[in-house]
Amino acid sequence: DVKVTQSSRYLVKRTGEKVFLECVQDMDHENMFWYRQDPGLGLRLIYFSYDVKMKEKGDIPEGYSVSREKKERFSLILESASTNQTSMYLCASSLDRGSGNTIYFGEGSWLTVV
Amino acid sequence: KQEVTQIPAALSVPEGENLVLNCSFTDSAIYNLQWFRQDPGKGLTSLLLIQSSQREQTSGRLNASLDKSSGRSTLYIAASQPGDSATYLCGGADGLTFGKGTHLIIQP
Repeated sequence: DVKVTQSSRYLVKRTGEKVFLECVQDMDHENMFWYRQDPGLGLRLIYFSYDVKMKEKGDIPEGYSVSREKKERFSLILESASTNQTSMYLCASSLDRGSGNTIYFGEGSWLTVV
Repeated sequence: KQEVTQIPAALSVPEGENLVLNCSFTDSAIYNLQWFRQDPGKGLTSLLLIQSSQREQTSGRLNASLDKSSGRSTLYIAASQPGDSATYLCGGADGLTFGKGTHLIIQP
């Protein structure tokens, strides 16, 4: 089974801190994604990557950056955390850009910024 | 830009009923569509993937259909059970756009 692992389930950070959210997948997938999910707003795409060292902006990239130095690891970075970044963050992966690929999600990371 | 809409936003039905969840999308060029289940506080679990060349997929009591011409997909749940209570989301299998989900409650 594909496994997408988000290293931190629950985090509490202070405003202005630099925050790293880590995601690792174990099935040699090319595509990786970061989303945030908020009540009433649904799932929104922050950044995605189709290959190592590649990144593409999603719908709400402001205030975030990403790093993909290795194929299996995709990190989301909040350079200076703000209270409006309090949310649940979800990482996902899929095989490649071809058709018919299932998307697999991690369990989510709950981030609270105080 | 692809937009995905799910109706209804919430649904509560007695146990044992058959039910249909709806998903509509604006761009008929959607290649593949995926249905997911999300339990409270958890990530999304893939239920069914329908490729653009297919019209439906089945897994157990679940059946998903895709009609690209009308921009619609439906998820049919047969003989609903309390354990089916969750939020159900649909989205393109490209991972770029998702609906906001239907929150389903099955009353025992």
